[in-house]
Amino acid sequence: SQTIHQWPATLVQPVGSPLSLECTVEGTSNPNLYWYRQAAGRGLQLLFYSVGIGQISSEVPQNLSASRPQDRQFILSSKKLLLSDSGFYLCAWSVPGGSSYGYTFGSGTRLTVV
Amino acid sequence: AQSVTQPDIHITVSEGASLELRCNYSYGATPYLFWYVQSPGQGLQLLLKYFSGDTLVQGIKGFEAEFKRSQSSFNLRKPSVHWSDAAEYFCAVGAGGNKLVFGAGTILRVKS
Repeated sequence: SQTIHQWPATLVQPVGSPLSLECTVEGTSNPNLYWYRQAAGRGLQLLFYSVGIGQISSEVPQNLSASRPQDRQFILSSKKLLLSDSGFYLCAWSVPGGSSYGYTFGSGTRLTVV
Repeated sequence: AQSVTQPDIHITVSEGASLELRCNYSYGATPYLFWYVQSPGQGLQLLLKYFSGDTLVQGIKGFEAEFKRSQSSFNLRKPSVHWSDAAEYFCAVGAGGNKLVFGAGTILRVKS
């Protein structure tokens, strides 16, 4: 069966420090991968999605970037964190054409920038 | 482009009472429709989905949803709410591409 792993679960980082959040999927090949952010009271914001290795679509201009170095690995990064980067980050995967089948979400990372 | 509206930001129901969470979508053709639940500090879990066929869809945890094309709605229901159902619920619509569009969510509070 397919599983999705996301880590760390919680992270406290100072302003200006770098960020790296990792997401991996097991039990499937060529998944679509997604990064979402939830800020308090603001619902789900799609940040990036990827349909293949090295293929990244950015949904909003911001202080973050994403990479997909391997088929089932998706990384969210920042060179210098801002206070506004605080939030709950969710990784998700789907089969290609994901809006027809739905997503499976990871358990999330709570990021607090201080 | 498709869109999703969840009119209720918060809903409070008594334990044992029935529940209906509203979801309206905008899309020209028959959409793919989903309901997710998120407990505090957790990821989203799929409750149920509608692709085609029977408009009444059964899901996990005793939830069901009904697709009404004439009303562009996909409301989530449960006949008797348990305290453990307190969570945030998201409706989502897909149109066959790579991205789902999510509603803003409804926070359910259950009072004893």
